[in-house]
Amino acid sequence: GAVVSQHPSWVICKSGTSVKIECRSLDFQATTMFWYRQFPKQSLMLMATSNEGSKATYEQGVEKDKFLINHASLTLSTLTVTSAHPEDSSFYICSARKGAGGEQFFGPGTRLTVL
Amino acid sequence: GQQVMQIPQYQHVQEGEDFTTYCNSSTTLSNIQWYKQRPGGHPVFLIQLVKSGEVKKQKRLTFQFGEAKKNSSLHITATQTTDVGTYFCAGRDSGGSNYKLTFGKGTLLTVNP
Repeated sequence: GAVVSQHPSWVICKSGTSVKIECRSLDFQATTMFWYRQFPKQSLMLMATSNEGSKATYEQGVEKDKFLINHASLTLSTLTVTSAHPEDSSFYICSARKGAGGEQFFGPGTRLTVL
Repeated sequence: GQQVMQIPQYQHVQEGEDFTTYCNSSTTLSNIQWYKQRPGGHPVFLIQLVKSGEVKKQKRLTFQFGEAKKNSSLHITATQTTDVGTYFCAGRDSGGSNYKLTFGKGTLLTVNP
């Protein structure tokens, strides 16, 4: 199979703190990982694409200094929400792809609530 | 940029009725994928269509890719309560990056038993 895990599954933090979310491909090597944000009852909005060993490519309107992405290995990508504010509260989902052009395998998501 | 539109936004049916969701892209697609997201869950890959006019079936689900590779549909025959969820289409632009998917807004299907 192709399993993607995310940690933590949910987090509540105070405004101004930073939160790190991990995305791991458990049984395959992911050349590319994607980070999405999903607000309630809305679609998935791509935030950034990360390739192992290189800088992430951010979508228009996504602040790279606020959403730090590190793709340190073929099985791990991290998203750090720096100085989180209530408007950053959302469902963050990562996905991983085995090769070029194929299906994406989604992690279970991380629900972030910023008080 | 590429836009993927999906209709309807919501669909409520009686169990046993059929259901269809439609997806239209502003640009020609190299392929289109369909995902299902159960309430509180994460998207799960259903299928990928690549060829113009392609039709694929998975039990009660029928997926079609338009001749112009700009539209697609998902049809469920005789819905069951287990079909409840949001169905997303996601297209890959033929002229753009070979990795980026653009998701439609999804169709939320609810089934009355």
